[in-house]
Amino acid sequence: DAGVIQSPRHEVTEMGQEVTLRCKPISGHNSLFWYRQTMMRGLELLIYFNNNVPIDDSGMPEDRFSAKMPNASFSTLKIQPSEPRDSAVYFCASSTRQDSPLHFGNGTRLTVT
Amino acid sequence: SQQGEEDPQALSIQEGENATMNCSYKTSINNLQWYRQNSGRGLVHLILIRSNEREKHSGRLRVTLDTSKKSSSLLITASRAADTASYFCATDSGGGADGLTFGKGTHLIIQP
Repeated sequence: DAGVIQSPRHEVTEMGQEVTLRCKPISGHNSLFWYRQTMMRGLELLIYFNNNVPIDDSGMPEDRFSAKMPNASFSTLKIQPSEPRDSAVYFCASSTRQDSPLHFGNGTRLTVT
Repeated sequence: SQQGEEDPQALSIQEGENATMNCSYKTSINNLQWYRQNSGRGLVHLILIRSNEREKHSGRLRVTLDTSKKSSSLLITASRAADTASYFCATDSGGGADGLTFGKGTHLIIQP
């Protein structure tokens, strides 16, 4: 079991650029979650999917953020255009069911200058 | 908004001592979970306690849940240096339709 795999581990980009974060959930897990972690706001749920379908995206801060899950083994979180306040660690997590324990990836540390 | 809030924000104890962290939440829940996060890593699930349970054990961990007070505690007995990490409680909304909401965590430091 390779766990949840996120890429890249670190991303440094300039304001206005497009950023794409990637996630491969654990095989067989039906729920996938995107979280953002900052010192000020802690862990915030951005969006989650059940069986590849977005269920709740109310945590997505703005229209600049979008997430897709084209199949059971891959999801992306895109920010376009990026802004310095988007700097944070973005985590992907998966679980067997919506109410089961989450398995987190090691995150992508995003820095927007 | 934060559903769970941990207390204290930071805790420093000597190796071998017990560490207790508390979590309060606001709305009804189906279950409450505790997670650990080491620096630079993702969160790791420790233990889940359901709303109809009052206490649960796992190794050196003991979790209690008081739904009347909307609070939970995590006790780590005989602490070790490797227990140094941030600890988070997480709750669902009770309706089962939402993802987990995390508190801001307790940063635990075990002094060797």
